[in-house]
Amino acid sequence: AQTVTQSQPEMSVQEAETVTLSCTYDTSESDYYLFWYKQPPSRQMILVIRQEAYKQQNATENRFSVNFQKAAKSFSLKISDSQLGDAAMYFCAYRSSYTGTASKLTFGTGTRLQVTL
Amino acid sequence: DTAVSQTPKYLVTQMGNDKSIKCEQNLGHDTMYWYKQDSKKFLKIMFSYNNKELIINETVPNRFSPKSPDKAHLNLHINSLELGDSAVYFCASSARYSPNEKLFFGSGTQLSVL
Repeated sequence: AQTVTQSQPEMSVQEAETVTLSCTYDTSESDYYLFWYKQPPSRQMILVIRQEAYKQQNATENRFSVNFQKAAKSFSLKISDSQLGDAAMYFCAYRSSYTGTASKLTFGTGTRLQVTL
Repeated sequence: DTAVSQTPKYLVTQMGNDKSIKCEQNLGHDTMYWYKQDSKKFLKIMFSYNNKELIINETVPNRFSPKSPDKAHLNLHINSLELGDSAVYFCASSARYSPNEKLFFGSGTQLSVL
């Protein structure tokens, strides 16, 4: 079974600075997808960024980028020019490339990000 | 317009009661899900339906019964509620049952069992 680990329960960053959230995962599969979801106080889960394991190039979405290290099974999220609206819980998630019962989204335990002035 | 809507947003009930949570999506998606988020914020899938067919049933007690009357709706009925059922329940949908599909989540239903 796949597992996703987020070792930082809480992180803090000053506005306009850069912060990196860590995520590692365990799998025996070679093809899969990795995601970062954001959950603000409103509880809504919002997709931040997505990475296909077969792609070597790291995904980027505006101020958000990932550092995907497949051999190390590491998938960190970098937030540049942090804004107050970035304050939220961030969840790393894994999904097998196989369809069927194996294809479920497995989440990490989350990292709470605080953004200070 | 809300893409994935759940009702109610908050539900407070006594142990032993039966309750339902409704979910509707207006995105035309084929696949819908129920996730449970416990008090430690851990999110775990419960069920997944594709075209009204149950795809994933993640060892959830049979007190939980999902029902999908059509592709746009996936309701969750819970019998004989227990204290441990207190959590936030999220409905989600995706265009297809495909691993790279983006999930659209509802805003959650906070269930408190007293």
